[in-house]
Amino acid sequence: KNQVEQSPQSLIILEGKNCTLQCNYTVSPFSNLRWYKQDTGRGPVSLTIMTFSENTKSNGRYTATLDADTKQSSLHITASQLSDSASYICVVSANNDMRFGAGTRLTVKP
Amino acid sequence: GAGVSQSPSNKVTEKGKDVELRCDPISGHTALYWYRQSLGQGLEFLIYFQGNSAPDKSGLPSDRFSAERTGGSVSTLTIQRTQQEDSAVYLCASSLDRGALGNTIYFGEGSWLTVV
Repeated sequence: KNQVEQSPQSLIILEGKNCTLQCNYTVSPFSNLRWYKQDTGRGPVSLTIMTFSENTKSNGRYTATLDADTKQSSLHITASQLSDSASYICVVSANNDMRFGAGTRLTVKP
Repeated sequence: GAGVSQSPSNKVTEKGKDVELRCDPISGHTALYWYRQSLGQGLEFLIYFQGNSAPDKSGLPSDRFSAERTGGSVSTLTIQRTQQEDSAVYLCASSLDRGALGNTIYFGEGSWLTVV
């Protein structure tokens, strides 16, 4: 069983709308959690990195939250743009081991 | 270079042939990772190099897969006797130190391998 579960698997929204992607993990001991954006045919690009003591971190229209008690993270995208269409990957680290979620495929339509 | 560089960007090979994929990490990055991503799937860990330490090869799917990192910089992933199920994007990434310590991990654009 994957130790990092992402939901939904895919999502379609209209341009300008907000959306929230979820990441639940069982990785332990927790070190940090990252969100990556991967455009089709490209390598993943880092959006945020959060450690145990951080509850929220923003990067432009992207805001990640972390609840280390419930082992949940979310990535909120505000005022979506067509260029936000991509896969969003949650990566959780424990010591020197990283576990990747399968990703959420987001499609933003005009 | 400014980022992680991978070559070739695309490779089509016949089943049974050997292939070599190259990764040139960001200068000064001691940690280097190889991942595989099949179409529509998540990233699958293959191998991890950290400085002069013995690599973590726990993700290599079979003995047909091997990787080396010469001089602590450039890495080569070799797949021997390729099979159709080896078709995937092979992504290389690097970071200043162990990724789990919180350093940003930078990915290359990947090498798209198609075995026909």
